[in-house]
Amino acid sequence: DGGITQSPKYLFRKEGQNVTLSCEQNLNHDAMYWYRQDPGQGLRLIYYSQIVNDFQKGDIAEGYSVSREKKESFPLTVTSAQKNPTAFYLCASSRGEVGETQYFGPGTRLLVL
Amino acid sequence: RKEVEQDPGPFNVPEGATVAFNCTYSNSASQSFFWYRQDCRKEPKLLMSVYSSGNEDGRFTAQLNRASQYISLLIRDSKLSDSATYLCVVKISSGSARQLTFGSGTQLTVLP
Repeated sequence: DGGITQSPKYLFRKEGQNVTLSCEQNLNHDAMYWYRQDPGQGLRLIYYSQIVNDFQKGDIAEGYSVSREKKESFPLTVTSAQKNPTAFYLCASSRGEVGETQYFGPGTRLLVL
Repeated sequence: RKEVEQDPGPFNVPEGATVAFNCTYSNSASQSFFWYRQDCRKEPKLLMSVYSSGNEDGRFTAQLNRASQYISLLIRDSKLSDSATYLCVVKISSGSARQLTFGSGTQLTVLP
């Protein structure tokens, strides 16, 4: 079955630690996205990528980094510079140009210890 | 002012009721509009796109009013399974690539 997978489902981060969230899709989609969702708030875009080896900052990129070495994969690293990382992180992909219908992975909940 | 605004609710309605949500957007260059559904602690899923002429999918009707810059979602004959948060999503195209903008969602609870 085609889809988007994210791992882990839950992740705990210690102070000063970098952590990486995985996102893989087998939908053959060109564009991929990372969002952050806080309780009672909408999704905010962290980074997006339209093609392999290219990515753009979204609205809240500070403290995060990404790579897009393969079409199927778009990992997100939450660095120690992100002072308030506790949130629900959602990865999405879309077929063509940025902004087309997006399909989401199941999300990763990041908690700070 | 937020680019996309929704009444957060919660809307608590009995089974079988009709309920409507509105969503306003501030950028008149907005091109495409969507409603997504998000269940508690799950990912959003596309419910329906919103077309200029309005569109219907079973018990769900979406409408767009460009002059007043709002979109609406009407749910008829509400089911318990309709309980979720409904996200309004707007795509703005400005010559360069732009991402979708999500509203913060309207929470619906359908009561037995």
